[in-house]
Amino acid sequence: EAGVAQSPRYKIIEKRQSVAFWCNPISGHATLYWYQQILGQGPKLLIQFQNNGVVDDSQLPKDRFSAERLKGVDSTLKIQPAKLEDSAVYLCASSLGGGQAYEQYFGPGTRLTVT
Amino acid sequence: AQKVTQAQTEISVVEKEDVTLDCVYETRDTTYYLFWYKQPPSGELVFLIRRNSFDEQNEISGRYSWNFQKSTSSFNFTITASQVVDSAVYFCALTGTAGRRALTFGSGTRLQVQP
Repeated sequence: EAGVAQSPRYKIIEKRQSVAFWCNPISGHATLYWYQQILGQGPKLLIQFQNNGVVDDSQLPKDRFSAERLKGVDSTLKIQPAKLEDSAVYLCASSLGGGQAYEQYFGPGTRLTVT
Repeated sequence: AQKVTQAQTEISVVEKEDVTLDCVYETRDTTYYLFWYKQPPSGELVFLIRRNSFDEQNEISGRYSWNFQKSTSSFNFTITASQVVDSAVYFCALTGTAGRRALTFGSGTRLQVQP
């Protein structure tokens, strides 16, 4: 079974530029998450989707971050404009969803460096 | 609000030693799930275990064992006869309420196993 796919793996941009990350979850997984992991810290949730609807985006900096999950499958996370403090690894995870707290499977992440 | 505390920032052991990673959590939910994930140098988070709040039985899987004590809000992880391949950052995590199943992660414990 294929795992969670993410691209690109690495990205370097200058502050105030825009960037987009892509995620393809495990087939059949209804729930998709985007986490931000700053060096030396645990991942922190940015946004959670159930199918193509948003369940939780309370920690998403909506003035610069946006995300969508078209047709309930792939998802894109965008940052515009980027700030230095956005340098982090952006992790996508998916799970079966529904009523139980199924384990989440993580992709390899996208390491973003903002200069 | 939920919180996970991993007080041990870094642990160094010699191969074949036993090591315990501590995890203390806070939640107001009566039903919750606890997880452990491993993050090797490659960066991808690997699921190790899920435990629900109603099941306080200890679990053993090969060299890994977990001790869940609801009375002290702890979910500790022990590796017996550690190996160099166990070197990684280990994260303890806790779920949210029904539907909002995003994980709240601790800050992680870096385990170095020396040959």
